[in-house]
Amino acid sequence: GAVVSQHPSRVICKSGTSVKIECRSLDFQATTMFWYRQFPKQSLMLMATSNEGSKATYEQGVEKDKFLINHASLTLSTLTVTSAHPEDSSFYICSAFLGGTDTQYFGPGTRLTVL
Amino acid sequence: GENVEQHPSTLSVQEGDSAVIKCTYSDSASNYFPWYKQELGKGPQLIIDIRSNVGEKKDQRIAVTLNKTAKHFSLHITETQPEDSAVYFCAAAAYRDNYGQNFVFGPGTRLSVLP
Repeated sequence: GAVVSQHPSRVICKSGTSVKIECRSLDFQATTMFWYRQFPKQSLMLMATSNEGSKATYEQGVEKDKFLINHASLTLSTLTVTSAHPEDSSFYICSAFLGGTDTQYFGPGTRLTVL
Repeated sequence: GENVEQHPSTLSVQEGDSAVIKCTYSDSASNYFPWYKQELGKGPQLIIDIRSNVGEKKDQRIAVTLNKTAKHFSLHITETQPEDSAVYFCAAAAYRDNYGQNFVFGPGTRLSVLP
């Protein structure tokens, strides 16, 4: 149980385009999901906290107009990287908070490469 | 805010030996301490966790100890195997507003188990 999926696993796009990443909790409902960014050989950096039916809470330094988050249902959150640039290239990972526990379960990650 | 330090950054052990990774945290309000294993190109996988009302927890070859007074916790892996090779992240978490646990991750430890 507690499986989280992400789609796509890899995406390559041209500079200036927008990219949408989906995060789904497959066997549980997640009122809260988190989006992280990870650079090579570095730790996970929290970008935003996504709550179903409300606006996401962004961490300091993360542009909310650049990284659009929508948590429209209890099993789906999306992250849209708008007008992507090469510096947005990174590994994006979502996690879902399993209610009734203290635990976050992570998705497999999405490798974004912006040319 | 919370700050989590992790040592060592890299660790090489011979197959069959034990490995110990140590983390310290700064926020006394933190009450949940998970450990994640991340293999190359994949999302983090929860391997063990401990809550602040417990001093030690064991699951087969993996154990975690917590010293709340000193604000440090450690991961112990016994009888290491090559498949234990990965990056390990510790995290400290405390409830933040109504959004459940807010995880702060350590910088990670790259464990290499040499056959």
